Formats: sequence, structure tokens, C-alpha cells
Amino acid sequence: GIQVEQSPPDLILQEGANSTLRCNFSDSVNNLQWFHQNPWGQLINLFYIPSGTKQNGRLSATTVATERYSLLYISSSQTTDSGVYFCAVDPSGSARQLTFGSGTQLTVLP
Amino acid sequence: ETGVTQTPRHLVMGMTNKKSLKCEQHLGHNAMYWYKQSAKKPLELMFVYNFKEQTENNSVPSRFSPECPNSSHLFLHLHTLQPEDSALYLCASSQDPGQGARNTEAFFGQGTRLTVV
Repeated sequence: GIQVEQSPPDLILQEGANSTLRCNFSDSVNNLQWFHQNPWGQLINLFYIPSGTKQNGRLSATTVATERYSLLYISSSQTTDSGVYFCAVDPSGSARQLTFGSGTQLTVLP
Repeated sequence: ETGVTQTPRHLVMGMTNKKSLKCEQHLGHNAMYWYKQSAKKPLELMFVYNFKEQTENNSVPSRFSPECPNSSHLFLHLHTLQPEDSALYLCASSQDPGQGARNTEAFFGQGTRLTVV
């Protein structure tokens, strides 16, 4: 099956700093999503981005499908950004075989 | 109502008990999923239902039994579980592209944190 690697596994920042999270995948995909898992376990949708660039407030994401990677940018980080960020991909374009990476644990210090 | 709701949020059960997890989606989707998230592990897909038909079963032990009575509801029946089954169980839904949908984004519920004692 498809392999998904996220880096870095852990990231500690001061409030106000910027960061870049990376997701590499081993095969072409037609569905790519970024999620933020809050301390209570819920997965919050950040981006649905099989290709191209999107922005939502302080967050933006870019997927370069031909080179099999996606980047999540967090600017001016806040303590509420802390949590685990997951990338998930599906080669088929559906969500039937959504494969998750191991996540990046982000800690933003006040 | 939020998009995907799961009940209960927390569950503690003995190894001889029988319990059920419930999931309901209000997004008009036609596919629903169960995932398991164990500590320090990525999410693992357990079951996939499309138009109420089970289409995937990723080698899940028979002590986990899914049920999908309609496209909005999904259950996971649990019996004779083991302590290693303690985990966060997440339900998700999406629109399958078979109906011409172009956006197949999956949405997740809040999860049920299960502890088997």
C-alpha cells in the first residue's frame, strides 16, 4: 500500500513563530487532507488539497502532486495551535482507503 | 447538530461485556468508516460502508462487528474484547465519487475513547 511519511515528528515553537510541516507519499494520490487533532481526540479538517495551494487565515497548504509531497504552513503560531497534525492520502480519489501518516506533534509555548 | 456525531464519548467495559458504539452523520454522505487509533500509532482503517454495503474489512477480528442500517447511521458492536483493544475509535463519512462527486473530503466524529479492563 501507499506509504505516508510526515516530518518532523515533534516540533516545539514559541508563540508567534512560523513553521512548515511536510508530508511525503510514495504513490500518486487523488485525495489529500490535512487534519489537526485536538487534545480531546477530535480530528478537525484543515485542508482538502489533492493539488495546488490553499489558504485559510494563518494556515496555508501546498501539494505538489507530481513530486509527491504536501506542505502545511502555520504562521504566527498560537498556543491553541498545539496538537497533532496529520496528513492523509488516498490514491483512488475517494476516501475509502485513506492512509494516515504518523503525525507531527506541535507544541506552542507561551 | 455537528456533521458527524459519536456516542458514547467514553466507554469502560470488561472483557466479557457486550457494548455498541454509535455514529450518525448529517452531511448527506453515502460512505461511512470506522477507524482505530491506538497510542503512538497512526489511524488504522477498520471498516468501510458504501450505500449501506460493507466494501472493506481490513483484517479486523470478529469480536468487532459493524452494522450500517442506512446511509446516515453506523454502529460498531463489541464483544469479548481484549485489553489491547483499548483505543480511540473514530467514525468518518464522505461522499463516494461513484455518484459523480468531485469533493470526497472525509469528516470525522469526536471519537469514543474505549478502555477494556
